[in-house]
Amino acid sequence: SQQGEEDPQALSIQEGENATMNCSYKTSINNLQWYRQNSGRGLVHLILIRSNEREKHSGRLRVTLDTSKKSSSLLITASRAADTASYFCATFQGGSEKLVFGKGMKLTVNP
Amino acid sequence: DAGITQSPRHKVTETGTPVTLRCHQTENHRYMYWYRQDPGHGLRLIHYSYGVKDTDKGEVSDGYSVSRSKTEDFLLTLESATSSQTSVYFCATGQGFTDTQYFGPGTRLTVL
Repeated sequence: SQQGEEDPQALSIQEGENATMNCSYKTSINNLQWYRQNSGRGLVHLILIRSNEREKHSGRLRVTLDTSKKSSSLLITASRAADTASYFCATFQGGSEKLVFGKGMKLTVNP
Repeated sequence: DAGITQSPRHKVTETGTPVTLRCHQTENHRYMYWYRQDPGHGLRLIHYSYGVKDTDKGEVSDGYSVSRSKTEDFLLTLESATSSQTSVYFCATGQGFTDTQYFGPGTRLTVL
């Protein structure tokens, strides 16, 4: 069963704009991770936020986590055409050795 | 891709034939995973390994078996391939079970 659900499922923006993607989940988690997948490639890890953290930054990426609402958001600032990809949130449920992925969200950044 | 290779990268086979996919890592990661990716389903875990000869089932393990005789290699076998197993298969590795996972480039398998 899917744990994380990304929203929106698809987003199209212009280069330079910010992109925000949301992820909701259902059970308690150990951590939440965001991955990017370029077309035809494997997934690449972007950022990991632990359940006791509220916000994390990495370059142009900002991730927030609200465990009371069981949700996370990924913000990409000053987007570039190279950010065009599918983005997945994934969660480690408490006590599990399995990372459960959402179905992904397709971001298109138009030059 | 953190030193993870998959072979073959593409394979076309017929229903009922056995198929083995190989994942090789040079990172000495303890954990290895096999996922399949299908439109509308995202990534689903097939099997994983938490050490040499230590494996466990994932969400969609029926019809698949795995083996890990060395730290660096994790094999996925489809004993008798079916058309429903047409998919893209990804191998991933991780140092600890809650840590970041590193993915291979994927194997596109078509079962006719």
